[in-house]
Amino acid sequence: GDSVTQMEGPVTLSEEAFLTINCTYTATGYPSLFWYVQYPGEGLQLLLKATKADDKGSNKGFEATYRKETTSFHLEKGSVQVSDSAVYFCPKTGGFKTIFGAGTRLFVKA
Amino acid sequence: EAGVVQSPRYKIIEKKQPVAFWCNPISGHNTLYWYLQNLGQGPELLIRYENEEAVDDSQLPKDRFSAERLKGVDSTLKIQPAELGDSAVYLCASSRDGVEQYFGPGTRLTVT
Repeated sequence: GDSVTQMEGPVTLSEEAFLTINCTYTATGYPSLFWYVQYPGEGLQLLLKATKADDKGSNKGFEATYRKETTSFHLEKGSVQVSDSAVYFCPKTGGFKTIFGAGTRLFVKA
Repeated sequence: EAGVVQSPRYKIIEKKQPVAFWCNPISGHNTLYWYLQNLGQGPELLIRYENEEAVDDSQLPKDRFSAERLKGVDSTLKIQPAELGDSAVYLCASSRDGVEQYFGPGTRLTVT
């Protein structure tokens, strides 16, 4: 069946470092792909999305490209800030059902 | 556009007491979700509504949990009686297309 595999955390980076959080999927079709972010004490926020192959989603300096050839949707940011410390989720979607894993916790040190 | 509103934000109750959470989704969003999020985990779906119909409640512990969305807008999730293990964050989300979801801030429940 369809599945999504997300990189386990925690990830600890220094401010201005480059960020990659891996997310790979298996699917029979081409589901929409999302990244959500959850800041401490808050609900999840939709960070970015891509609805078809080769789409690039971007928001707040974060980017992810829907790569059909590698079945990946890795989250990247060129220069992280302390304020990016949060938990990032790459959920599995399909059939009106969204399944969230534990997410990847990111700590950014000043 | 106003976001998803939840209340209360925090609730502390003793075990065996009842508790209720309220959610007001984004205007025009027909799909509404209730999730439970334990510490260090991702959200787990409890129930999904399409308008006033509960279309997926397979993960809702129906012996103590109940939910309603009477007019297809606001929703209430109830626990009666609460147990220690129910301590968690309860998240409400809504969606226009049934895929892209918008979450409220959640209600943090502590059962003592």
